[in-house]
Amino acid sequence: ELKVEQNPLFLSMQEGKNYTIYCNYSTTSDRLYWYRQDPGKSLESLFVLLSNGAVKQEGRLMASLDTKARLSTLHITAAVHDLSATYFCAVGENYGGSQGNLIFGKGTKLSVKP
Amino acid sequence: EPEVTQTPSHQVTQMGQEVILRCVPISNHLYFYWYRQILGQKVEFLVSFYNNEISEKSEIFDDQFSVERPDGSNFTLKIRSTKLEDSAMYFCASSGSGFWGPNQPQHFGDGTRLSIL
Repeated sequence: ELKVEQNPLFLSMQEGKNYTIYCNYSTTSDRLYWYRQDPGKSLESLFVLLSNGAVKQEGRLMASLDTKARLSTLHITAAVHDLSATYFCAVGENYGGSQGNLIFGKGTKLSVKP
Repeated sequence: EPEVTQTPSHQVTQMGQEVILRCVPISNHLYFYWYRQILGQKVEFLVSFYNNEISEKSEIFDDQFSVERPDGSNFTLKIRSTKLEDSAMYFCASSGSGFWGPNQPQHFGDGTRLSIL
């Protein structure tokens, strides 16, 4: 059974600081996604990582995937208040017949303070 | 940009009643999903649907749940006899077409908040 663990679950940062969110998963997969969720809102796709060593960057966020270590990271550079949200990693189940079901981590609630 | 739309945004139902949640996926997408999120918790997979049949379902998706694509645009989730623990936000998602469809990001609707009294 695929399990996805994120840490930390809560992160309070000051503006301008850097930090990394970690996502570990328990079984082989080559599909990992990062989503952002604002309170009471839907999930917004941030990154799709489909191969070992994949690195993607958008603004102050950078995501990477190491399939051998079963680890993805979401790095935040010079945080700003607008980044405050909950960030989920989601891993695609990787077995015969799978049609893309995603298993989500518990989410990291990020709060960026001035 | 195309969106996944869900209706209603909020549904309040008495325990034991049937409820149908509706979704209109992005028009050229072929893979459809339902997830739920209990307040403050993680998003949980319920069911995936492709080529007019269920592809996968989780343990949560028991006999009380069913999905249907009654026409070319709608995708519905029915809960036959609701329980208090069914209270959650239900998200519909769809992903792209073609061989790599399941690998593409799933686009989520805004959700239906289901409250069981």
